[in-house]
Amino acid sequence: AQTVTQSQPEMSVQEAETVTLSCTYDTSESDYYLFWYKQPPSRQMILVIRQEAYKQQNATENRFSVNFQKAAKSFSLKISDSQLGDAAMYFCAKNNAGNMLTFGGGTRLMVKP
Amino acid sequence: DVKVTQSSRYLVKRTGEKVFLECVQDMDHENMFWYRQDPGLGLRLIYFSYDVKMKEKGDIPEGYSVSREKKERFSLILESASTNQTSMYLCASTIPSGRGGTDTQYFGPGTRLTVL
Repeated sequence: AQTVTQSQPEMSVQEAETVTLSCTYDTSESDYYLFWYKQPPSRQMILVIRQEAYKQQNATENRFSVNFQKAAKSFSLKISDSQLGDAAMYFCAKNNAGNMLTFGGGTRLMVKP
Repeated sequence: DVKVTQSSRYLVKRTGEKVFLECVQDMDHENMFWYRQDPGLGLRLIYFSYDVKMKEKGDIPEGYSVSREKKERFSLILESASTNQTSMYLCASTIPSGRGGTDTQYFGPGTRLTVL
């Protein structure tokens, strides 16, 4: 079975600083998608950013960017200029051959004012 | 924007009751999913469906069943609720890769179920 691992159960960052959340995965596929989802407290899970494995360029969405290292099977999320609204659970996920997603265990991000 | 709705945000049931959780999506997505989310365990797939009347077991199907009579609606059924089914339940839908999609899943707001 494929696995997605988030090794940091909790992280904290000072407002306006930068934080990086780690994710590693296991796969034998060459073409796949990777995702970061955000789940704010008591609110809906939303997509933060998506990366296509065949694209070498790292995806960016405003203050959110990824560092995708295909050979190392690593997919970290960088949040720049952290804001109080970034406080949430963050889940890394990878699609698989059955069009399903395998999720990591999540990282709780706390933002300190 | 894709909209995925779930019938209840909070639900309290008694042990042994039959429980229905409903999910509706408005974007004509083929695939729909039910997960449960528990602290420290992330999201675990209960069942999924890739078409009307089609269903597949996920990682933890025991104690659950599903129904998909219409493309937009996917129901999760707890035949006889037990206390260990107290959890957050999330529904999601997607257009699968290979059919023009990217496997990006769009989630409902979740139902927090408590079984007493």
